[in-house]
Amino acid sequence: GAGVSQTPSNKVTEKGKYVELRCDPISGHTALYWYRQSLGQGPEFLIYFQGTGAADDSGLPNDRFFAVRPEGSVSTLKIQRTERGDSAVYLCASSRLAGAWETQYFGPGTRLLVL
Amino acid sequence: TQLLEQSPQFLSIQEGENLTVYCNSSSVFSSLQWYRQEPGEGPVLLVTVVTGGEVKKLKRLTFQFGDARKDSSLHITAAQPGDTGLYLCAGQGNNAGNMLTFGGGTRLMVKP
Repeated sequence: GAGVSQTPSNKVTEKGKYVELRCDPISGHTALYWYRQSLGQGPEFLIYFQGTGAADDSGLPNDRFFAVRPEGSVSTLKIQRTERGDSAVYLCASSRLAGAWETQYFGPGTRLLVL
Repeated sequence: TQLLEQSPQFLSIQEGENLTVYCNSSSVFSSLQWYRQEPGEGPVLLVTVVTGGEVKKLKRLTFQFGDARKDSSLHITAAQPGDTGLYLCAGQGNNAGNMLTFGGGTRLMVKP
């Protein structure tokens, strides 16, 4: 079956612009996670959804970052007034449930470059 | 600051050699997972270990979870060029949402 998909695969923007990154999880998966991976590092947690609600957004670096999942499926990560430090790979993962032993399946990521 | 420390950060070896990657933490996790990530792709799960002292084998890869469920190791026997990639350990289960806490990764290059 289809895996997690993310669009766009690459995004180049200018400092101060607004960007939206989209994640299509595996069908039927209720939990959705966003992670950010800076060059040469492991992914870091940003926000997690259980259904439509953001259950934990403690990883969002500041209020320029926001994410939604209005119908409990597709999610959009929104970044306002982008800064050069926002450049990274943004990874989305989904799992059937949010349980401790549930496998999270990752998408290929969106590579964001802020000039 | 990463809660999981991976070592080494980089490893370049010849085909046929053995290697071990370590993942250490001061935190206890319900489970620990190992992922492999290729350039331009997301991490792909290799194995999940859940019981202290557990050992799992996946062909030439052997994974071990520490008795106290705070550390883990990945051992590769007779490495091949196809093993080249970024290896990530990730702990799960020490927070309500069960989000993954990743180590910094070990970048492995196996030269033919």
